[in-house]
Amino acid sequence: DVKVTQSSRYLVKRTGEKVFLECVQDMDHENMFWYRQDPGLGLRLIYFSYDVKMKEKGDIPEGYSVSREKKERFSLILESASTNQTSMYLCASRDPTEGYTFGSGTRLTVV
Amino acid sequence: QKEVEQNSGPLSVPEGAIASLNCTYSDRGSQSFFWYRQYSGKSPELIMSIYSNGDKEDGRFTAQLNKASQYVSLLIRDSQPSDSATYLCAVTRSGTYKYIFGTGTRLKVLA
Repeated sequence: DVKVTQSSRYLVKRTGEKVFLECVQDMDHENMFWYRQDPGLGLRLIYFSYDVKMKEKGDIPEGYSVSREKKERFSLILESASTNQTSMYLCASRDPTEGYTFGSGTRLTVV
Repeated sequence: QKEVEQNSGPLSVPEGAIASLNCTYSDRGSQSFFWYRQYSGKSPELIMSIYSNGDKEDGRFTAQLNKASQYVSLLIRDSQPSDSATYLCAVTRSGTYKYIFGTGTRLKVLA
C-alpha cells in the first residue's frame, strides 16, 4: 500500500511564524499535492508538484510556498502564519491509475 | 456554478437500506471520476473510481456515471452504521493532475 506520511498531526503556531509542513510518500509517485480543508469550503488546492523541483500554483497559493527537492518529499511553507491559515492541511500523492492517496492530515492552529 | 456540486446533507437512511449519493459536474471535458469516504477527523480514502458511462460495482458499492447528463452517483447497498461519513466526489480532465472536489455529502446510517 502507498503510504503518505505527514510529519505532524496537530500543530499550534503563533501569528507571524514561518511554518513548515512535511509530507513523504514511499511509492515513487511523480505527482504530489497540498490541499487545505475547511468546513463548507471543501478541499482547496494550494500547490502541486508534478516532478522534482517542479511546482504549480493551485487555486489558493497566496501566503504559501512549496519545496520539492527529492521525489518522495513535498513541503508546504507558510511564510508568515496568519489566523486565517488555521485549517486542516492534507497532502496527497497520485498514482496515474489508482488516484490520490492522502496523508493523515495536519490540523494547524494559528494563534 | 460550482465545478462539482454535491448536496451537503445530512442524508439519513436506516440500517440495511440503500443510500444514494449524487454529484454533478460542469466541465464536459471531465474524464475520470472518484468517490472518497471521509470519517470525521480523518483524511479521505478512495472507495471507487469510474471512467466510462454505466455502472461499476465493488462489493456493496456501485458507482454510476452518465456523461451526457454530467452526473455521477454512488449507491451503498445494505447500509451499515459504519458507513456514516462524508462522501466526496472528485473529477478530473484527461491529461491533468488536478482533482476538483465537491464539498461532500454527509451520510448518517441509523441503527
